[in-house]
Amino acid sequence: QKEVEQDPGPLSVPEGAIVSLNCTYSNSAFQYFMWYRQYSRKGPELLMYTYSSGNKEDGRFTAQVDKSSKYISLFIRDSQPSDSATYLCAMSAGSSNTGKLIFGQGTTLQVKP
Amino acid sequence: DADVTQTPRNRITKTGKRIMLECSQTKGHDRMYWYRQDPGLGLRLIYYSFDVKDINKGEISDGYSVSRQAQAKFSLSLESAIPNQTALYFCATSGRQISTDTQYFGPGTRLTVL
Repeated sequence: QKEVEQDPGPLSVPEGAIVSLNCTYSNSAFQYFMWYRQYSRKGPELLMYTYSSGNKEDGRFTAQVDKSSKYISLFIRDSQPSDSATYLCAMSAGSSNTGKLIFGQGTTLQVKP
Repeated sequence: DADVTQTPRNRITKTGKRIMLECSQTKGHDRMYWYRQDPGLGLRLIYYSFDVKDINKGEISDGYSVSRQAQAKFSLSLESAIPNQTALYFCATSGRQISTDTQYFGPGTRLTVL
């Protein structure tokens, strides 16, 4: 079993839809949770970062972490064609001795005009 | 100018050839990483370095070697390339922060081994 599981999709939605992207994980030591967005032929770029449980909102994006269920989500409101990309969750135990991120497989999202 | 650069951006080579991929960063970060990305497998860590004198194997280091020439430079070598090393390779950097391990990625190198 992988430490981080993410449905690879692809996920196709109409413009304006609410999108929910999810990851589950098995390591209870994870404390730092991130979402990266990767456009085709580009490197991943950090989209959202959350520490421990709770919600974080940034414009149309909301990240949620439920540590009790070992489940994280990214919600995109009023989705736009420019949101079409692969979304990767990533997480870390946050130890200064490791610095390693564990990534999900990525979910490919297509927002149709 | 990009904070993390990778050269070359694309490379086609033959089985058995030695290949070097280079990464440079201007973010002033201590930590640097090499990943490969394959469809359906996500990003997998090959090697990482916390400073010039510190090199560590990642999840899939067999068949690869690295060199940290300076704080800003970290290169990945394939001593004898094989076709299953065909993939997208990313370099990443992060700062020495306890509160986060946020990593910043380069644009990637697309490597094809024939």
